[in-house]
Amino acid sequence: GAVVSQHPSRVICKSGTSVKIECRSLDFQATTMFWYRQFPKQSLMLMATSNEGSKATYEQGVEKDKFLINHASLTLSTLTVTSAHPEDSSFYICSAPGDRGRVAYGYTFGSGTRLTVV
Amino acid sequence: AQRVTQPEKLLSVFKGAPVELKCNYSYSGSPELFWYVQYSRQRLQLLLRHISRESIKGFTADLNKGETSFHLKKPFAQEEDSAMYYCALSVSGGYNKLIFGAGTRLAVHP
Repeated sequence: GAVVSQHPSRVICKSGTSVKIECRSLDFQATTMFWYRQFPKQSLMLMATSNEGSKATYEQGVEKDKFLINHASLTLSTLTVTSAHPEDSSFYICSAPGDRGRVAYGYTFGSGTRLTVV
Repeated sequence: AQRVTQPEKLLSVFKGAPVELKCNYSYSGSPELFWYVQYSRQRLQLLLRHISRESIKGFTADLNKGETSFHLKKPFAQEEDSAMYYCALSVSGGYNKLIFGAGTRLAVHP
């Protein structure tokens, strides 16, 4: 089945620094990648949708300049948290339409990245 | 507005008991609904999609457009079913983003 590889799984950074999270689709091309944020014991909140070859679409209330998204190729999408602050600490998850990009077959999720900003 | 509601944060049952995890949605278009499961320390994975009308691990879910519901059911719960369950709605137009419910934690006791 389709697999999305997400790295790193955990990262601790100092306040004010930037952190990059990568998501790669293995064995399939992901023209679209969704980025979610999950707070402890809460649901996944969609932050943005990245699209290969075009600008990402951000959800209302998500700061574009803080959460930079780049969809460099059909198999790689990155989320960079810039000038991170403790309130950015969270679990970040990427997801791509699974099974060769066919939405009706569900979505494949990365294993998530736990970001802690100290 | 598009919304997915899972009214129960926690559902606690004994092994062998029937299980029903509730999910209601609000969407003006034609819905595509999914159930995702997250076992402890594992990634989110697809459990069911309404379009396929399949049974996975004994779970079934029927889309009821009249009641705007997509409840997840299993006649006899097993301890290994203990996990976090999320109902999700795929919104058409653009890039078919997923909107998740708050999730229900199912705890199956021996």
